[in-house]
Amino acid sequence: EAGVTQFPSHSVIEKGQTVTLRCDPISGHDNLYWYRRVMGKEIKFLLHFVKESKQDESGMPNNRFLAERTGGTYSTLKVQPAELEDSGVYFCASSPLGQGYNEQFFGPGTRLTVL
Amino acid sequence: GNSVTQMEGPVTLSEEAFLTINCTYTATGYPSLFWYVQYPGEGLQLLLKATKADDKGSNKGFEATYRKETTSFHLEKGSVQVSDSAVYFCALSDHYANDMRFGAGTRLTVKP
Repeated sequence: EAGVTQFPSHSVIEKGQTVTLRCDPISGHDNLYWYRRVMGKEIKFLLHFVKESKQDESGMPNNRFLAERTGGTYSTLKVQPAELEDSGVYFCASSPLGQGYNEQFFGPGTRLTVL
Repeated sequence: GNSVTQMEGPVTLSEEAFLTINCTYTATGYPSLFWYVQYPGEGLQLLLKATKADDKGSNKGFEATYRKETTSFHLEKGSVQVSDSAVYFCALSDHYANDMRFGAGTRLTVKP
């Protein structure tokens, strides 16, 4: 069974540009989460999808961040326009419906560097 | 709200040394507790977990016991190997919150 995949693995962009990160969850997992780790600090929750619906987006830092999950499969996280403080590692995780509290399966992360 | 406080690193040990990474938590309910590990160049992997008080999670020689009285979930290993070099994250989740709360991570380097 394939794990959670994320693309790209690394992205280097300039301030003001747009970047789109993609996450493919484990097949059949209705829960999809985005997290971010900035500057070696704790991994922080950004938002949670259940299928195609946003269940909780309380962790999204501001309206420059837009997440979508069309059709309830893969998800994208767009940052527009990117700022220096957006640099960090963005993790995606998935879990079966009703099991998000039990274990979440993480992808390898996308390292975003904003110059 | 729920939170996790984790021992700051980095930690450098010699091979076969004993490892302890401290983790304490704050939670309003009865959370599940986890240790995740990130090896160089890889994603987060679940190392072990415990879902109720006094449970002991174990995997690959690592152990952690869910201590409700001290709100702790310290990670231990009796004899570390070079291959254990990684970043370790303590985390919790509960049945009510949608998110998993993580500590800051502890970077462990094991030298031969």
